Amino acid sequence: GQNIDQPTEMTATEGAIVQINCTYQTSGFNGLFWYQQHAGEAPTFLSYNVLDGLEEKGRFSSFLSRSKGYSYLLLKELQMKDSASYLCAVMDSNYQLIWGAGTKLIIKP
Amino acid sequence: GAVVSQHPSWVICKSGTSVKIECRSLDFQATTMFWYRQFPKQSLMLMATSNEGSKATYEQGVEKDKFLINHASLTLSTLTVTSAHPEDSSFYICSAKTTSGTSETQYFGPGTRLLVL
Repeated sequence: GQNIDQPTEMTATEGAIVQINCTYQTSGFNGLFWYQQHAGEAPTFLSYNVLDGLEEKGRFSSFLSRSKGYSYLLLKELQMKDSASYLCAVMDSNYQLIWGAGTKLIIKP
Repeated sequence: GAVVSQHPSWVICKSGTSVKIECRSLDFQATTMFWYRQFPKQSLMLMATSNEGSKATYEQGVEKDKFLINHASLTLSTLTVTSAHPEDSSFYICSAKTTSGTSETQYFGPGTRLLVL
């Protein structure tokens, strides 16, 4: 079956760095997405990786290793507004999105 | 874990026809379901919020007469794109919300690709 795993919850301190991991097993691979979702709001697109390596976008970076079925989202210089759920989703060979359950990130002062 | 399914996965139709997309929560009851539209590498755009047994709440700019939503039961919501046109071609994603005590969890469906010729 298809499966996406990510931690349920993480806690970090304002100004610090946090890495949210995502491992996947899917039938085929057409890219991996990271979304940020604040409570009561629609998910906001953060990144899309289809090739191996690290993509940096400001304070956020996303890494992909297709051979390992692994990705992480790295958040630097954490701010209180970064408290949110972070969703990992993989697009399979049928271009369907397989979603992780999301990681709730709690930022403490 | 909880699963949300969508049917069909893909649909190709002629301009002017209507298309119905189903969203089901497979092992839980969802009091609220959401319908989103996604453009490539962009955020999910919320179209409407559907509550079981009541009328859907549409976001600003979404035509309620064009995108008909029916939330007939706690496990099924349908989105009907009426008189579809090529500009309606998109990736439609639903999600279902479940509440346990004071916590709420939202589960997303795999999406439905609509191509209007």
